[in-house]
Amino acid sequence: ETGVTQTPRHLVMGMTNKKSLKCEQHLGHNAMYWYKQSAKKPLELMFVYNFKEQTENNSVPSRFSPECPNSSHLFLHLHTLQPEDSALYLCASRQASEANTGELFFGEGSRLTVL
Amino acid sequence: GQNIDQPTEMTATEGAIVQINCTYQTSGFNGLFWYQQHAGEAPTFLSYNVLDGLEEKGRFSSFLSRSKGYSYLLLKELQMKDSASYLCAAVDSNYQLIWGAGTKLIIKP
Repeated sequence: ETGVTQTPRHLVMGMTNKKSLKCEQHLGHNAMYWYKQSAKKPLELMFVYNFKEQTENNSVPSRFSPECPNSSHLFLHLHTLQPEDSALYLCASRQASEANTGELFFGEGSRLTVL
Repeated sequence: GQNIDQPTEMTATEGAIVQINCTYQTSGFNGLFWYQQHAGEAPTFLSYNVLDGLEEKGRFSSFLSRSKGYSYLLLKELQMKDSASYLCAAVDSNYQLIWGAGTKLIIKP
């Protein structure tokens, strides 16, 4: 238990579906992250929120839409995805003030399969 | 460009010692993290080095050489539960994490 909870753990969707991934952290952190993890590839940073404000968007396609209603919750809305979007999506949090030494706390991820 | 290199897979024997290497090329440097990730689980923090030298935490140690752009994770007295992927990540001048692809460590009895 890392203090970061992701739901659902597994999701299968068609290319025309709309679904959402949810992340909740119970650690009192003020920064939250979405990462994409594909087999044998480095973690890809997708979005960063500091104090509920989006501060990073690493050229992510618009079919991925993040939402951060408060500092404890983060969503990733998915629509018209492609099969190559199949991956493990990891949420993480940390204290934004600890810029370079604060460790990231990860959730267990949502395994997404796009058919 | 920025780059992290680490071996894709390593195999070791229970009770032995294994060293997982990581080399990095980044725009500036503000430290290096090691994370452990068991299959189907969250990555968890192992260590953070920003100064040269070896830091020991029980069976695990992490080493950094800033001049060589090199780090390693040393695991002693290997146990079956150490079978996992080990992720290396360097912090660049903008405090962004640059990740390696991870090293899958297989422990055999």
